Order: sequence, then structure tokens, then C-alpha cells
Amino acid sequence: EDQVTQSPEALRLQEGESSSLNCSYTVSGLRGLFWYRQDPGKGPEFLFTLYSAGEEKEKERLKATLTKKESFLHITAPKPEDSATYLCAVRALTGGGNKLTFGTGTQLKVEL
Amino acid sequence: NAGVTQTPKFQVLKTGQSMTLQCAQDMNHEYMSWYRQDPGMGLRLIHYSVGAGITDQGEVPNGYNVSRSTTEDFPLRLLSAAPSQTSVYFCASRSTSYEQYFGPGTRLTVT
Repeated sequence: EDQVTQSPEALRLQEGESSSLNCSYTVSGLRGLFWYRQDPGKGPEFLFTLYSAGEEKEKERLKATLTKKESFLHITAPKPEDSATYLCAVRALTGGGNKLTFGTGTQLKVEL
Repeated sequence: NAGVTQTPKFQVLKTGQSMTLQCAQDMNHEYMSWYRQDPGMGLRLIHYSVGAGITDQGEVPNGYNVSRSTTEDFPLRLLSAAPSQTSVYFCASRSTSYEQYFGPGTRLTVT
């Protein structure tokens, strides 16, 4: 069974204090790892897709990296507007590749 | 582009009532899906469709029906609401590169 575990569950940072969120996964045949941002009361918003170990993607203060067992979302010099829940999901061979398995998310709060 | 739209935003039902959650997308995506999001459980797939006339079950399909008569619309029907179906429901459509775009959600309470 495909599994995705995110840590920590919650993270509080001061503005400018860089950190990383972790997404560990166990899947049969990874076909993509996805990061989403979710603001309260809204639907998840797509951030990145990673396909193979060693791959990196960047967007503003966010950088996502991938190894064979986990992915990291690095947040450099965060601002209060980066506060949100960050979700990780994997697409695998199971279910014909049509199913995403989501983690439960990391709730990030960035304070002034 | 409006992206993915969902109606209603909020709904309260009594046990045993039925209703349809509406979902529409204007991105011409073939793949659409419905998820429910519950605290501490992550997003779970209810049903999905790979194109008009084709639907399949996801992880938690019991108590829900879907149909797909057009590319744009993918309604979710609750046949006989139960308190266990209290949740936030998200519709999503997926591009050919497997990026999913989510709607704003419907918050459903069943009493």
C-alpha cells in the first residue's frame, strides 16, 4: 500500500528563519511527487512536480528536492504570507497511475 | 479561465437526505476527480473520471455516485446522507502532465 508521511505536523518560524518540511514516501513505482499549498478555507494549489531522485524545482522562496525515499520543501527567508498548510502527494503505478496518495500536511506559520 | 468551480460552498443536510455537489472546469481536462478532506486523514479519493462517460471508484466510494456526461461537468451525488459524510469535498481536474487543479471546496455538515 502506498504511504506518505509528512513531518512536522506543525511548524512555527520567525520571518527570515529558513527551514525544511519533510515528505517520506513508500510506493510501488513512483511516477511523480507533488507539492501543494493550501490556505484556510481554500482548495490546494499546485506548486511542484518532481519525477526522479536528484531533481530540484524552485519557485520564489521555495525549493523542492527529491530522493528515493523522501522529498524536502525548503523555505528560505520565509515571510508571513508563506503561512499555509503544505501537502505532499505521490502518484504511483498502483491504480493504473490514476490515483494520488496524499500526506496529512505540515501547517506552517511564519510570524513577524 | 475560471478554473474549477464548485457549488454550493456550504451545505447542511439531515440524515437520509440526498443532494448533488456540482463541479465544472473550463480547462478541457479529460481527468476529473472528487476528494474528501477530514482532519488528520489527508485528502482521500472518492471517484474519478478519465473522460466523458467513463468513471471509476477511488479509495472511499461508498455512499456516493458520479456520472460524467460532458468534459466540463462532474457532479457528485450523495444518495442518503450520513453523519460520517460530514467533510469538506474538493473537485479537481488534471492536466496531461498530471498537475491537479482543485476547486474551492464544499463544506458539508450532516446532522
